[in-house]
Amino acid sequence: GEDVEQSLFLSVREGDSSVINCTYTDSSSTYLYWYKQEPGAGLQLLTYIFSNMDMKQDQRLTVLLNKKDKHLSLRIADTQTGDSAIYFCAESFGGGGNKLTFGTGTQLKVEL
Amino acid sequence: GAVVSQHPSRVICKSGTSVKIECRSLDFQATTMFWYRQFPKQSLMLMATSNEGSKATYEQGVEKDKFLINHASLTLSTLTVTSAHPEDSSFYICSARDMSGGDTQYFGPGTRLTVL
Repeated sequence: GEDVEQSLFLSVREGDSSVINCTYTDSSSTYLYWYKQEPGAGLQLLTYIFSNMDMKQDQRLTVLLNKKDKHLSLRIADTQTGDSAIYFCAESFGGGGNKLTFGTGTQLKVEL
Repeated sequence: GAVVSQHPSRVICKSGTSVKIECRSLDFQATTMFWYRQFPKQSLMLMATSNEGSKATYEQGVEKDKFLINHASLTLSTLTVTSAHPEDSSFYICSARDMSGGDTQYFGPGTRLTVL
């Protein structure tokens, strides 16, 4: 079965880097995603990585994928208070329009 | 990016009544929409896949007679929670699949349902 796990909570100081981790079990996943959810709102796609890639960088965001260990991480450089939110990793088989399996979510709190 | 709206954003109803939630893709056509449910401080759980012009596909454990889905047009899917009970109180989020210029899923802002 599909199971995507994340640590529940992460607290960092403004300006530091944040690293949010995710482990998944479905080795057939072809796309892995990171979404951001602010309180009472829907989900915002931050970035995604195709399963044959090891790393993807997009401005302050860096995604690392270790397919052997089924481990995905999101690094946010120079974390700001506006980054405080819940972050979900998700996996799908096929393109981004296919059924997504979400992780348990990590609440990121950025302190001054 | 493409925009997906949900209506209402928040609804409070009495136990036993039915509630309809709308999901609209505003600037693209979506043959497929997804309905998710999110309990407080928990992840999103896929309830069903809504297909335009055909029956929805429900995930295991989701009662199709309880959660009625209609996808009558390429821009609108509705979720009706029938005979709602307090345990149906949750945050319901839809997403719409945009296959033009790629294959991306866009999420609505969610609907907070409270059943008294």
